[in-house]
Amino acid sequence: AIQMTQSPSSLSASVGDRVTITCRASQGISNDLAWYQQKPGKAPKLLIYAASKLQSAVPSRFSGSGSGTEFTLTISSLQPEDFATFYCLQDYNYPYTFGQGTKLEIK
Amino acid sequence: EVQLLESGGGLVQPGGSLRLSCAVSGIIFKTYAMSWVRQAPGKGLEWVSAITGSGTSTFYADSVKGRFTISRDNSNKTLYLQMNSLRVEDTAVYYCATDTRPGDYWGQGTPVTVSS
Repeated sequence: AIQMTQSPSSLSASVGDRVTITCRASQGISNDLAWYQQKPGKAPKLLIYAASKLQSAVPSRFSGSGSGTEFTLTISSLQPEDFATFYCLQDYNYPYTFGQGTKLEIK
Repeated sequence: EVQLLESGGGLVQPGGSLRLSCAVSGIIFKTYAMSWVRQAPGKGLEWVSAITGSGTSTFYADSVKGRFTISRDNSNKTLYLQMNSLRVEDTAVYYCATDTRPGDYWGQGTPVTVSS
């Protein structure tokens, strides 16, 4: 199975900051990568698919980039509602695999 | 409105069995591949299993292969996860979701606790 290594595991930032989260795949996955946001007690919410495409209704401050084995999620200017846990997911082949998650906390 | 409603979770002893259901409405169910994803208490997301729209192909995480079986009833728009030989480490909230991007849909989750 493809392993997804996500970093950092936690991140402390302030409203207005720019933050970047990285996912590395153990083998090439083309651009078959999605990013999810999850808040406590809620189902995950899709932010980005195909590495860089913004899901409908997701604010444009979220962006994704990368292909092959290295991917990034960037939030250009953090808003209070953005503090949550973020996960990458490779959907290149089965079994799909998630990264370990990045918990984004308020500084 | 699209709705996915999981049921069937609960408390079961190690070695026991449980069947989860996910009732789907608001989409043409048979055209959607479906997945199960779980989340252990305080832990990250783990992809568990998927099934194609027709039900002819199924896929599993190594951690559940041989113990869990995914299936679907397209007539009744319901997804299932039969879980056998349950272990303490299978304790989690289990979510069903459409295996579609963009625009996937998720249920609210059903908790499964494996404990003696």
